[in-house]
Amino acid sequence: TQLLEQSPQFLSIQEGENLTVYCNSSSVFSSLQWYRQEPGEGPVLLVTVVTGGEVKKLKRLTFQFGDARKDSSLHITAAQPGDTGLYLCAGATSGTYKYIFGTGTRLKVLA
Amino acid sequence: DVKVTQSSRYLVKRTGEKVFLECVQDMDHENMFWYRQDPGLGLRLIYFSYDVKMKEKGDIPEGYSVSREKKERFSLILESASTNQTSMYLCASSSTITSDLYNEQFFGPGTRLTVL
Repeated sequence: TQLLEQSPQFLSIQEGENLTVYCNSSSVFSSLQWYRQEPGEGPVLLVTVVTGGEVKKLKRLTFQFGDARKDSSLHITAAQPGDTGLYLCAGATSGTYKYIFGTGTRLKVLA
Repeated sequence: DVKVTQSSRYLVKRTGEKVFLECVQDMDHENMFWYRQDPGLGLRLIYFSYDVKMKEKGDIPEGYSVSREKKERFSLILESASTNQTSMYLCASSSTITSDLYNEQFFGPGTRLTVL
């Protein structure tokens, strides 16, 4: 079974700090997605990366896909309380519409 | 606005009861998924359906079955609920496009099931 490990599992930081969340696997993925889930809601897609080494930016969020397409990172600059939530990475292998989800990182940003 | 709806937000059942969780999507998506979400374990795929009446087991299908009689509706069935099935259940749908790039999954709000 493919596994996606995320670290850290929990993160509590002050508003304005920077942070990085990691998503690691021993498997190669054809694409990798990042979702954010807020309490009482389902996950919502933030970004999809498909090329090894690819970097995508979404305002203060920077996503990177590892060169070997086995890992990814999410960096948040100057975190805000609105960034609070559960961040999930999800990887797919070629030829399938199924994604394997990571274990999740619960982020709390304190005002 | 795209939407995936789930029949209940909260459900409490007793051990041994048969439980139905319903999911409906209005996006004409071919693919539909049922996940369970537990702390520290992320989302784990229970079953996946890529077409009407078609289904495929996910990573943890034991104790569950599914039904997809219409394209927009995907039901998860717990034949005899047990306490270890207490969890958050999430339904999702996605479109069938050749490129993985656009396979965004749209999720419902979840059903928190408690089995006593």
